[in-house]
Amino acid sequence: GAGVSQSPRYKVTKRGQDVALRCDPISGHVSLYWYRQALGQGPEFLTYFNYEAQQDKSGLPNDRFSAERPEGSISTLTIQRTEQRDSAMYRCASSSGTSSYNEQFFGPGTRLTVL
Amino acid sequence: SQKIEQNSEALNIQEGKTATLTCNYTNYSPAYLQWYRQDPGRGPVFLLLIRENEKEKRKERLKVTFDTTLKQSLFHITASQPADSATYLCALDSIGTDKLIFGTGTRLQVFP
Repeated sequence: GAGVSQSPRYKVTKRGQDVALRCDPISGHVSLYWYRQALGQGPEFLTYFNYEAQQDKSGLPNDRFSAERPEGSISTLTIQRTEQRDSAMYRCASSSGTSSYNEQFFGPGTRLTVL
Repeated sequence: SQKIEQNSEALNIQEGKTATLTCNYTNYSPAYLQWYRQDPGRGPVFLLLIRENEKEKRKERLKVTFDTTLKQSLFHITASQPADSATYLCALDSIGTDKLIFGTGTRLQVFP
């Protein structure tokens, strides 16, 4: 079936605007993870969900960042009042089990540029 | 502080040779360690997982070792090919959580 998809693939916004990034996990995958990846670095954990429950949001940089997964499938990462330092690649991943032992399948990412 | 270190410099090797990549960690006690491959412009792709009680794991031309005393994992690609050129990331679990912590990755370039 289809892999993890993310939209939009590219987002350019002005400083101070809110943005919403969407992640469609693989159908039936119970866990969903959000990461931020800077050029030349590995993915940096932001938050994750098991089903609709947000299990850990310790990686969210500040309270301008939030995420939800209301029906246990699609997830949205929202950044309010964007700042230039928020510019990065945002990736989501899903897995079939609730443990990080399970293989994670990554999406293509959303490249966010804040002007 | 907790750290996962991979060689930040690119590894350049000739086709047919064995590539060896290193992942060192401090102040973690992972139950397992995963290796991912990432091609430019794409998300990481899972390759192998090795548990703390496993010394070695193989999959085709790939071999991973895990030494919890040295706090190190080695990732080997035998008979390397130009198609193996990519960035390779190690990731380990953080005890008490279900999240993965990734290293910075090492870029491998295999020349014909």
